[in-house]
Amino acid sequence: EVQLVESGGGLVQPGRSLRVSCAVSGLTFYDYAMYWVRQTPGKGLEWVSGISWNSDTIVYGDSVKGRFTISRDNAKNSLYLQMNSLRAEDTALYYCAKGRGLTIFEPIDYWGQGTLVTVSS
Amino acid sequence: EIVLTQSPGTLSLSPGERATLSCRASHSVSSSYLAWYQQKPGQPPRLVIYDASTRATGIPDRFSGSWSGTDFSLTISRVEPEDFAVYYCQHYGRSPQQTFGQGTKLEIK
Repeated sequence: EVQLVESGGGLVQPGRSLRVSCAVSGLTFYDYAMYWVRQTPGKGLEWVSGISWNSDTIVYGDSVKGRFTISRDNAKNSLYLQMNSLRAEDTALYYCAKGRGLTIFEPIDYWGQGTLVTVSS
Repeated sequence: EIVLTQSPGTLSLSPGERATLSCRASHSVSSSYLAWYQQKPGQPPRLVIYDASTRATGIPDRFSGSWSGTDFSLTISRVEPEDFAVYYCQHYGRSPQQTFGQGTKLEIK
């Protein structure tokens, strides 16, 4: 069974940093691109970032470019999102998600349950 | 950047009726890079359709996807009680980034 389990969310002050992680099991992790997608409570989905299977291709959404860094460790079956200079508008449920193939130009076929990040003083 | 506009915002139907949800792209996109997701309260989204018209694993055949130019549609031939949810379209091509539509809520009339 494919499982994506996020961790590391919490309450953080504006301007500070936070790192969220995603542990993946039940598949060959390095065969797939991975993503972070966020959702504000009661609102829609926003694509945050994507990383190809070998980290060769990385893309960010405009709202997080220059502040967030996505990375993966294929030996540990893990995905990460380093979030710096956090703002109130970054408050959201952050989903870890798996693509259908190697590149980031694939739909998402598995999602975690999400980890909540709240940016507030 | 490609902007996806979904309509209607809310669609109220009775079980057994036909549902047609729309997603319009701001620029020409390859039909190979359009997906539809279903999201129920308290759950992550679930892939329904990808490549504009291919059903994902486990999705019943009452769901279908189609397109004409920059207009994409998700059709549910006969809505079942478990189909009431929010549906999002997504472009996952080289936009240069991926985008989601704002969602259509399919609710019970």
